[in-house]
Amino acid sequence: DQQVKQNSPSLSVQEGRISILNCDYTNSMFDYFLWYKKYPAEGPTFLISISSIKDKNEDGRFTVFLNKSAKHLSLHIVPSQPGDSAVYFCAASGAGGSQGNLIFGKGTKLSVKP
Amino acid sequence: NAGVMQNPRHLVRRRGQEARLRCSPMKGHSHVYWYRQLPEEGLKFMVYLQKENIIDESGMPKERFSAEFPKEGPSILRIQQVVRGDSAAYFCASSPPGTEWANVLTFGAGSRLTVL
Repeated sequence: DQQVKQNSPSLSVQEGRISILNCDYTNSMFDYFLWYKKYPAEGPTFLISISSIKDKNEDGRFTVFLNKSAKHLSLHIVPSQPGDSAVYFCAASGAGGSQGNLIFGKGTKLSVKP
Repeated sequence: NAGVMQNPRHLVRRRGQEARLRCSPMKGHSHVYWYRQLPEEGLKFMVYLQKENIIDESGMPKERFSAEFPKEGPSILRIQQVVRGDSAAYFCASSPPGTEWANVLTFGAGSRLTVL
């Protein structure tokens, strides 16, 4: 029973274009959402987060949008760069879990082609 | 300014042996978390520890797995009598004290356990 779903296992985008990674969740009690990026043989690296009281958070080329009514969030990367090629994980917290108890999706592998 | 340090990076064990994975949190971080990633899966929370205390072990398998974070030294994840299904990447993460960044975890590079 997956509470956080990333339905696209992979995504391929041309350099300079926008990458949009999607994430759906089922538990309306989640109150904080994060995106992590992971390169092979490395640990996940925090990218950007959003609280459930907001609907948008922006940090440079990265923007996260949250639609609470649809239980959906997305990560936009613009412009995409080849160095962005990695696996992106969506994660959620709250819903009675303790601090640091994040629920992760299975990830989306992004390939940015030069 | 070293990040979260995990060792060993790779560990091979035969069925029935014990595996010990170590984690030193980032400097200034007092909260440690262990996650497991099975092949083709996302990361799954196992346990949250502070010094000498297990705060949340709701993700730990009921048997064979234990974790500690002693007053001195690294956190240890111990798996007794390993089975093939324990083969996975085990990630340690840490976070600083206080609540503002409580859920922004810094992860180590992981320890990959292979059980033959």
